[in-house]
Amino acid sequence: NAGVTQTPKFRILKIGQSMTLQCTQDMNHNYMYWYRQDPGMGLKLIYYSVGAGITDKGEVPNGYNVSRSTTEDFPLRLELAAPSQTSVYFCATATGGSEAFFGQGTRLTVV
Amino acid sequence: KQEVTQIPAALSVPEGENLVLNCSFTDSAIYNLQWFRQDPGKGLTSLLLIQSSQREQTSGRLNASLDKSSGRSTLYIAASQPGDSATYLCAVPMNSGGYQKVTFGTGTKLQVIP
Repeated sequence: NAGVTQTPKFRILKIGQSMTLQCTQDMNHNYMYWYRQDPGMGLKLIYYSVGAGITDKGEVPNGYNVSRSTTEDFPLRLELAAPSQTSVYFCATATGGSEAFFGQGTRLTVV
Repeated sequence: KQEVTQIPAALSVPEGENLVLNCSFTDSAIYNLQWFRQDPGKGLTSLLLIQSSQREQTSGRLNASLDKSSGRSTLYIAASQPGDSATYLCAVPMNSGGYQKVTFGTGTKLQVIP
């Protein structure tokens, strides 16, 4: 049982480049989340989705976009990467009121 | 706005000691409270989930308590081991504008010294 799978694990981007962070889950959870974690800081919510076709902004959405065409997939798109987007990105899933499960993270460096 | 605070931010104890990590939250209208462990450079691993109607949960050497009325949870680790060294995070999901929003604390970094 794979749970929540994130790819890639590591990536270095140049300023202005774009990329997509992939997140796939096989638990049939309706809620999916994208967080970023900066060194010594807590997790901050970027975007979330309550089901296929439904997404909304979290606390720090600027510079990111998401889509949710299926229950399983919730990709995070970075357009015009900036050094401020250097962080570790985590995808998580949950059903309403239940335990949350996290992927292993994507470590992104923008230079 | 829900705010989650974890105290202390860092803790260093000798092996074998019992210890308590604290998590406090400002809004008691939570679905549940979840404790996670994060190893350096790794993702979050769920340790314990306490539903809002429960007072405590136990798993092995870990015991988590929840007092919604006072906005507090504790994670008790018995007979600590060097392998317990990690950052421990608490998270509280609650209804926010019709969806489940999860707020995390900033974590307690635990070091267990052999």
